Amino acid sequence: EVQLVQSGAEVKKPGESLKISCKGSGYSFTSYWIGWVRQMPGKGLEWMGIIYPGDSDTRYSPSFQGQVTISADKSISTAYLQWSSLKASDTAMYYCARLQYGGDYWGQGTLVTVSS
Amino acid sequence: DIVMTQTPLSLSVTPGQPASISCKSSQSLLHSDGKTYLYWYLQKPGQSPQLLIYEVSSRFSGVPDRFSGSGSGTDFTLKISRVEAEDVGVYYCMQGIHLLYTFGQGTKLEIK
Repeated sequence: EVQLVQSGAEVKKPGESLKISCKGSGYSFTSYWIGWVRQMPGKGLEWMGIIYPGDSDTRYSPSFQGQVTISADKSISTAYLQWSSLKASDTAMYYCARLQYGGDYWGQGTLVTVSS
Repeated sequence: DIVMTQTPLSLSVTPGQPASISCKSSQSLLHSDGKTYLYWYLQKPGQSPQLLIYEVSSRFSGVPDRFSGSGSGTDFTLKISRVEAEDVGVYYCMQGIHLLYTFGQGTKLEIK
């Protein structure tokens, strides 16, 4: 069974760093692109970027280039999304998705709250 | 960026009645490989998005046949032949040509 399991909710202060994870199982992790999607409170879905774990080829949406870093560790079938300095506006739910047929399997989401 | 525009932004439908959502892209989604990279998702309240339709008209595994997709180039439609209570949520179209993905704004479906 294909599964993407994301790390738990986080509460952080502005300026802090954060790395959240998405662990794939039940399929060949290195053979499919993984994407990250942001959903701000009460808002729609926004693509942040994608990574191919097989060779770590990474593409960022223009709005998120330079704001976050996407990476993957294929040895443990895990993709990551990280921030070096969080802002209050980073408060959102973050989803990972396997990019077959656009996005056939999704993680359960990680809620990130940034507040002083 | 390719801009995806959905209409309407909200729908209120009586159970058993049909529903239709339109999605227009700012550029053609027909790739040189012959495929058209247009997808439809449903995000039920409190849940992750779930794939309904891929490549314009192919239903994903387990998706009821009351859902259908059509269109070409820049104009696409999702139709629900007979709306059921479990269909409530927000529907998104999404394009994925050239590995640069963008979503539409979403259409909220409510039951009357």
